[in-house]
Amino acid sequence: DADVTQTPRNRITKTGKRIMLECSQTKGHDRMYWYRQDPGLGLRLIYYSFDVKDINKGEISDGYSVSRQAQAKFSLSLESAIPNQTALYFCATSDPRQDTGELFFGEGSRLTVL
Amino acid sequence: GQNIDQPTEMTATEGAIVQINCTYQTSGFNGLFWYQQHAGEAPTFLSYNVLDGLEEKGRFSSFLSRSKGYSYLLLKELQMKDSASYLCAVMDSNYQLIWGAGTKLIIKP
Repeated sequence: DADVTQTPRNRITKTGKRIMLECSQTKGHDRMYWYRQDPGLGLRLIYYSFDVKDINKGEISDGYSVSRQAQAKFSLSLESAIPNQTALYFCATSDPRQDTGELFFGEGSRLTVL
Repeated sequence: GQNIDQPTEMTATEGAIVQINCTYQTSGFNGLFWYQQHAGEAPTFLSYNVLDGLEEKGRFSSFLSRSKGYSYLLLKELQMKDSASYLCAVMDSNYQLIWGAGTKLIIKP
């Protein structure tokens, strides 16, 4: 089983619908992140959390919200989806005790908003 | 603004050597990362450079020159499975990762 699991892996929805992407991890890492990836662009940070009581906006947080339900769970919500939120979304974790700051990514959630 | 530049696409031959360049302009520097991403899959960590010089790890090596804002990833003895996108990312002074758009590497037999 994957250490960082995202659900759903694929989702097609309509404009205006509320969507939640879920992420759970078994790595025991405190730090969790949500990124989106679009063709021709680098990964862009949406939100990040350094522990259960810590939530921070990233580069492109508008139109998104998050919830850190537990150390192992970090959910991303689109309150009212719009077509330009069509993208591949990745959850990631990291361990601040690790010198490299390596990120461990989930398998991705492909979201299409019609 | 902050910027990471890397070629969009490169083609190389199986068994050969390829160098993927990355130049960056960021607010401060706290390390440079290379990740590999196969199509439709998650990025996976390849290397981390924080000091100038070459880091070698098997067939893959990564070089950093902080004064030039430049790094490269060197892949030797290319295999078909090395066909993937290679992502360069820099950690800035706020410890935020700035990502390049990635270089798609195509390996031909």
